[in-house]
Amino acid sequence: GAVVSQHPSWVICKSGTSVKIECRSLDFQATTMFWYRQFPKQSLMLMATSNEGSKATYEQGVEKDKFLINHASLTLSTLTVTSAHPEDSSFYICSARDRTRYGYTFGSGTRLTVV
Amino acid sequence: AQKVTQAQTEISVVEKEDVTLDCVYETRDTTYYLFWYKQPPSGELVFLIRRNSFDEQNEISGRYSWNFQKSTSSFNFTITASQVVDSAVYFCALTGTGGFKTIFGAGTRLFVKA
Repeated sequence: GAVVSQHPSWVICKSGTSVKIECRSLDFQATTMFWYRQFPKQSLMLMATSNEGSKATYEQGVEKDKFLINHASLTLSTLTVTSAHPEDSSFYICSARDRTRYGYTFGSGTRLTVV
Repeated sequence: AQKVTQAQTEISVVEKEDVTLDCVYETRDTTYYLFWYKQPPSGELVFLIRRNSFDEQNEISGRYSWNFQKSTSSFNFTITASQVVDSAVYFCALTGTGGFKTIFGAGTRLFVKA
């Protein structure tokens, strides 16, 4: 079945630094990838939609300059949290859409802690 | 606008009890997909089922069963003879045809006690 690899699984960084999270489709080409954020005991909130080769579309209230998304190939999308602050600490999870069939596969998530 | 409502925030049952998790959705799309995911404490999302809007057949998979009723815009999930390993947060989700964005419900936290 379709597999999405997300790395790292967890990361701790200092306030003010940047962190990059990778989302890679291993056995299919993903025309579209989605990035979600989940605060403790809350639901998943869509942050942005990225299409291969074009700029990401951000949901209302999401700072595009803070959460940089790059989808340079059909198998890789990255989310960079720039100048991270403690309030950015959260669980980030990506999902990828398989271009050949209707299906969405989620990565295993990244737990970010900013200290 | 699309919306998914899971009115039950937390449910606590004793092992071997049956439990039903409710999901009500709103969408203007005629074609859409409904999902259930399980999120154990480790955090990853485990896909359980996908149902498209044209298929109202109920489905059973082992101890899991799903009841899809378009007339009431509901897609309920029942676990029969619950087990401690079923303890997790369960999310109902909806994907419409425009933009393919998946909208999640707030989730229902299920506690199964031994």
